[in-house]
Amino acid sequence: DGGITQSPKYLFRKEGQNVTLSCEQNLNHDAMYWYRQDPGQGLRLIYYSQIVNDFQKGDIAEGYSVSREKKESFPLTVTSAQKNPTAFYLCASSIGGRGTFYGYTFGSGTRLTVV
Amino acid sequence: QQQVKQSPQSLIVQKGGISIINCAYENTAFDYFPWYQQFPGKGPALLIAIRPDVSEKKEGRFTISFNKSAKQFSLHIMDSQPGDSATYFCAVHTGGFKTIFGAGTRLFVKA
Repeated sequence: DGGITQSPKYLFRKEGQNVTLSCEQNLNHDAMYWYRQDPGQGLRLIYYSQIVNDFQKGDIAEGYSVSREKKESFPLTVTSAQKNPTAFYLCASSIGGRGTFYGYTFGSGTRLTVV
Repeated sequence: QQQVKQSPQSLIVQKGGISIINCAYENTAFDYFPWYQQFPGKGPALLIAIRPDVSEKKEGRFTISFNKSAKQFSLHIMDSQPGDSATYFCAVHTGGFKTIFGAGTRLFVKA
């Protein structure tokens, strides 16, 4: 079945540590996204990528980094510069953002907790 | 910053009743208005969406009503069921890569 796979489901980060969240899709979608979800708030865009080897900052990119070396993969690194990283992280993809848009397909999320 | 205002924050409906969730957006050229459904511990899933050239779209028990002049759109869930208990997010999308989400509505359908 086509979809988005995020791993791990739960992740614990110590202070000062970088952690990487994995996102893989087999939908052949061009665009991929990372969103952060906090209780009582809507989803906020961290980074997005339209094509391989290209990505753009979203609304809350500080303390995060991404790469897009393959069409299928869009990993997110939460760096030690992100002071409040505890949140639910969602990876998404879409056929394309420009032109006709048909909505996002989301993964099942990674819950990151600082310990 | 463009915003989408979603209401109510939470909603309790009896089984078989109608659930109504509303969203209002600000003055920008959005071209796609989706609703997403999210169960606890899962990612959101696209439920239904509408484009601004129509005023209503129905898929099964779910209907979007769209009022372009008022910059408002709403989700109606007919014959609400306990399995519909979830968090619902509205969103607006511009041409390009910009989507703005509402804060979400937690729906609980009482059996």
